[in-house]
Amino acid sequence: EVQLLESGGGLVQPGGSLRLSCAASGFTFSTYAMSWVRQGLGKGLEWVSAISGSGGSTYYADSVKGRFTISRDNSKNTLYLQMNSLRVDDTAVYYCANQQWLVPNWFDPWGQGTLVTVSS
Amino acid sequence: EIVLTQSPGTLSMSPGERATLSCRASQSVSSSYLAWYQQKPGQAPRLLIYGASSRATGIPDRFSGSGSGTDFTLTISRLEPEDFVVYYCQQYGSSPQTFGQGTKLEIK
Repeated sequence: EVQLLESGGGLVQPGGSLRLSCAASGFTFSTYAMSWVRQGLGKGLEWVSAISGSGGSTYYADSVKGRFTISRDNSKNTLYLQMNSLRVDDTAVYYCANQQWLVPNWFDPWGQGTLVTVSS
Repeated sequence: EIVLTQSPGTLSMSPGERATLSCRASQSVSSSYLAWYQQKPGQAPRLLIYGASSRATGIPDRFSGSGSGTDFTLTISRLEPEDFVVYYCQQYGSSPQTFGQGTKLEIK
């Protein structure tokens, strides 16, 4: 069974940093591009960042470019999102999602999400 | 960036009825690269449709997608109680990939 399990969310002050992780199982992780998608509380979905299967190509939404860094460790089947210079409007549930074999593409499946709250 | 506008924002229907949800793009979506997702409260989105009209694995055949260019539709032929949740469209024909703001399907 394909599973994606996010961790690392929590409460952080504006300007602070946080690193999210997404542990994958049930599929050949290195074959697939992966993404982070976020959802503000009671709001819609926003794509944040994507990475190719090899990790050689990365993509970012303008809203996070220069502040967030996506990476992956294919030996550990784990996806990461390093978030720096966090702002109040970064508060959201962050989902990791399988982007299949290329970017852009549809997302399937999704993890259960991890909540990031940026507040003083 | 392609902006997707979903309508209506909220749709009030009764179980057993046919529901039609709309997703309109600000510019043509290349190769009908459009997907639909269902999101239940407290859960992650679930892929329903990709390529505008292809059902994802395990999705009941009462869900169908259609459209091309700038106008796309998700149809639910016979509403079941568990279908009264939120639906999002997403385009992946051009970067950045973008989502619509969602349509909430509620019980009348």
